[in-house]
Amino acid sequence: GDSVTQTEGLVTVTEGLPVKLNCTYQTTYLTIAFFWYVQYLNEAPQVLLKSSTDNKRTEHQGFHATLHKSSSSFHLQKSSAQLSDSALYYCALSDLTGGNNKLTFGQGTVLSVIP
Amino acid sequence: EAGVTQSPRYAVLQEGQAVSFWCDPISGHDTLYWYQQPRDQGPQLLVYFRDEAVIDNSQLPSDRFSAVRPKGTNSTLKIQSAKQGDTATYLCASSLNSGNTLYFGEGSRLIVV
Repeated sequence: GDSVTQTEGLVTVTEGLPVKLNCTYQTTYLTIAFFWYVQYLNEAPQVLLKSSTDNKRTEHQGFHATLHKSSSSFHLQKSSAQLSDSALYYCALSDLTGGNNKLTFGQGTVLSVIP
Repeated sequence: EAGVTQSPRYAVLQEGQAVSFWCDPISGHDTLYWYQQPRDQGPQLLVYFRDEAVIDNSQLPSDRFSAVRPKGTNSTLKIQSAKQGDTATYLCASSLNSGNTLYFGEGSRLIVV
């Protein structure tokens, strides 16, 4: 099986400062992809970033993440947090072995950006 | 393009009652998923289908939960004899098997009292 760990339940950051949300994983699967999903209040989770390539930086909407298989991590970062970034963020691992396509989610991290 | 549609958005039950949740995936998506999202936890996979076939239902509490997708399009998740521990948001998602991004509906929030 596999698991995803997000160590922080809540991250609070001041607007304009950098932010980092941690994500580590354990898996025995060989064919995998990683995602960050964002869920705004009373809305559906939506994909923010995805990656399956080791050591390649992926960027979207000012956020970036790099998959590091050597450390089993896929941390999410942004250089300057905005008030509108306040939301619930999930890291997720997708097992693609044998044509499968199912996501395993972490516990989620609430990002609160304050003025 | 319409997204994933779920209904009802909210349900409040007493223990022992039954409820059905309905999901209409994105047109053309062959894979459909049901996730349970308890409060303050990440979504947990219950079951997923490719077309009308169940691919994985190992996390579905089979004694009270059931899910069908008879024509490979819409799907229904049914909970019989609900318990307080079933209180959660039930998320439906769909994807194209060839791609691996899941698109989620807004969820059906269940409260069992």
